[in-house]
Amino acid sequence: GQNIDQPTEMTATEGAIVQINCTYQTSGFNGLFWYQQHAGEAPTFLSYNVLDGLEEKGRFSSFLSRSKGYSYLLLKELQMKDSASYLCAVNTGFQKLVFGTGTRLLVSP
Amino acid sequence: DTAVSQTPKYLVTQMGNDKSIKCEQNLGHDTMYWYKQDSKKFLKIMFSYNNKELIINETVPNRFSPKSPDKAHLNLHINSLELGDSAVYFCASSRGTSGRSYTDTQYFGPGTRLTVL
Repeated sequence: GQNIDQPTEMTATEGAIVQINCTYQTSGFNGLFWYQQHAGEAPTFLSYNVLDGLEEKGRFSSFLSRSKGYSYLLLKELQMKDSASYLCAVNTGFQKLVFGTGTRLLVSP
Repeated sequence: DTAVSQTPKYLVTQMGNDKSIKCEQNLGHDTMYWYKQDSKKFLKIMFSYNNKELIINETVPNRFSPKSPDKAHLNLHINSLELGDSAVYFCASSRGTSGRSYTDTQYFGPGTRLTVL
């Protein structure tokens, strides 16, 4: 079976740093994606990891450990506009993305 | 400039009706997808097509039938709509092939909110 776990909800303050964890157990692995989804909008691509280690892209970084089935998304210098759901997704083969249930992040002033 | 577009954005209909949702992408991508996002915001793949060929067909009732007239379009037809079909349906596309080990970023359309009464 496919199992991808994320915390349901997190809260943080503007300017802070937040780490959103994702653990996975899937039948195949061809990379892990993070998407951001604002309420009522489409998911938008944030980052992709296929090898172990950290990928940095501006205020966002994503880490992967394949041996541990673990990834995290790190958001720095939080802004109000970062309030959204963050979706972890694993490509299990043939471009099939299996999504976690998403983490809703609330950023307060 | 719209990359992946869907029509309609909202669809309200009665149980038992048949409806279609259209999707178009102007990115020149070879692979297109349909996803369903339920009320708990869980996003699940339904189908994928690569160059008009069906690749992924998840456990979806056969009331749902995708149709790809060309690689830039993937439509979703739903027969005999049920209350449980109420959800947001997202179309997505990605570049390249659909080989087992191939990975490419998927870009999502704005979604179609379907409400079945």
